[in-house]
Amino acid sequence: AQSVAQPEDQVNVAEGNPLTVKCTYSVSGNPYLFWYVQYPNRGLQFLLKYITGDNLVKGSYGFEAEFNKSQTSFHLKKPSALVSDSALYFCAVRDKGYQKVTFGTGTKLQVIP
Amino acid sequence: SAVISQKPSRDICQRGTSLTIQCQVDSQVTMMFWYRQQPGQSLTLIATANQGSEATYESGFVIDKFPISRPNLTFSTLTVSNMSPEDSSIYLCSVATGITTTSNQPQHFGDGTRLSIL
Repeated sequence: AQSVAQPEDQVNVAEGNPLTVKCTYSVSGNPYLFWYVQYPNRGLQFLLKYITGDNLVKGSYGFEAEFNKSQTSFHLKKPSALVSDSALYFCAVRDKGYQKVTFGTGTKLQVIP
Repeated sequence: SAVISQKPSRDICQRGTSLTIQCQVDSQVTMMFWYRQQPGQSLTLIATANQGSEATYESGFVIDKFPISRPNLTFSTLTVSNMSPEDSSIYLCSVATGITTTSNQPQHFGDGTRLSIL
């Protein structure tokens, strides 16, 4: 079985400050991990993924995420938040060899000008 | 990455009617998925549609309520049948561009269909 948790329903951060959106996962094997962003009235857009290798992965729009195997976490980060980053963010996991992806409950990011 | 066109983008329907949602992809894809998303909430997988086989439905979803067609590698439809207010939701089409079920490629999503039932 696989699962993913996003413990925060909402994260507020001031523009220009660093941001972190948390994600933890549970799989029986090795995970594929993904972050997606959803803007109002749009579908989900892929931001970045971890497959293997370097624990720090870089993605679109200046976002990055750090894979931590011991803590089973894959937190999304950005050094300096923009108002335009305000959106709904989803973490997702797929156990290698498993067909389906499991999405987290989503975290609403609000960047305050 | 795949570009997905989903129609209609929104609709308001009467109770008891049915609506068919179309999903067109600009490239051939093996796996297509249909999700339901309550506003501001996470995604719930309805079914997986592979070309040339019957759709696979998740627990709580049945073919009579959500029939799916997958006539070729670039197109699929989802019908929401005999609608009730509980069916008011966002319906999302998604594709996986990998050629195997174990691909590490991300999924791509259409912009969704916002459905309200009166």
